[in-house]
Amino acid sequence: KQEVTQIPAALSVPEGENLVLNCSFTDSAIYNLQWFRQDPGKGLTSLLLIQSSQREQTSGRLNASLDKSSGRSTLYIAASQPGDSATYLCAVRGRDDKIIFGKGTRLHILP
Amino acid sequence: AAGVIQSPRHLIKEKRETATLKCYPIPRHDTVYWYQQGPGQDPQFLISFYEKMQSDKGSIPDRFSAQQFSDYHSELNMSSLELGDSALYFCASSRRATTNEKLFFGSGTQLSVL
Repeated sequence: KQEVTQIPAALSVPEGENLVLNCSFTDSAIYNLQWFRQDPGKGLTSLLLIQSSQREQTSGRLNASLDKSSGRSTLYIAASQPGDSATYLCAVRGRDDKIIFGKGTRLHILP
Repeated sequence: AAGVIQSPRHLIKEKRETATLKCYPIPRHDTVYWYQQGPGQDPQFLISFYEKMQSDKGSIPDRFSAQQFSDYHSELNMSSLELGDSALYFCASSRRATTNEKLFFGSGTQLSVL
């Protein structure tokens, strides 16, 4: 059974710093891994999707990497801003089409 | 671009009442997923449909049922509501799994059971 773990559960960093969020999964038989952002009481906004054959994807200040063999993904946020404060969730889509979420990392960027 | 549309945005019900949540997927998406997210929790998978047929079932209570209609919209029916059913209910849509198909979420329905 696929299990997805996100570390840390919460993170506070000063504005301007670079940071890394971690996501690990137990079953490497995946189609893709997707990173989402969620603001309180709001829906999930897709940030980046990495296919199983890819190593990384970039969008603006965000870079996501995938090491399928070790069951790990990281989301790198460069030059953090207060507007980046949110909960970040990773979701793994298995070859059985099940989509499993991690519990998320609550990020707080200090002005 | 069209997104996943959910209605209503907010819903207040009393214990033992029923509720119906609606989801309209992105056009040409053939798969719909329903998730329940309690306060401070990660989304929990309830049920999914592919081409109007139930494709997978998660932690959906027997009091809940769902279906996908010929126009691909889906409805989640919840009966005998309990206080613990208060949560944010998300619908997501996608095309059948290939390596590069993203999952798109609606804004959710906030259900409060009093």
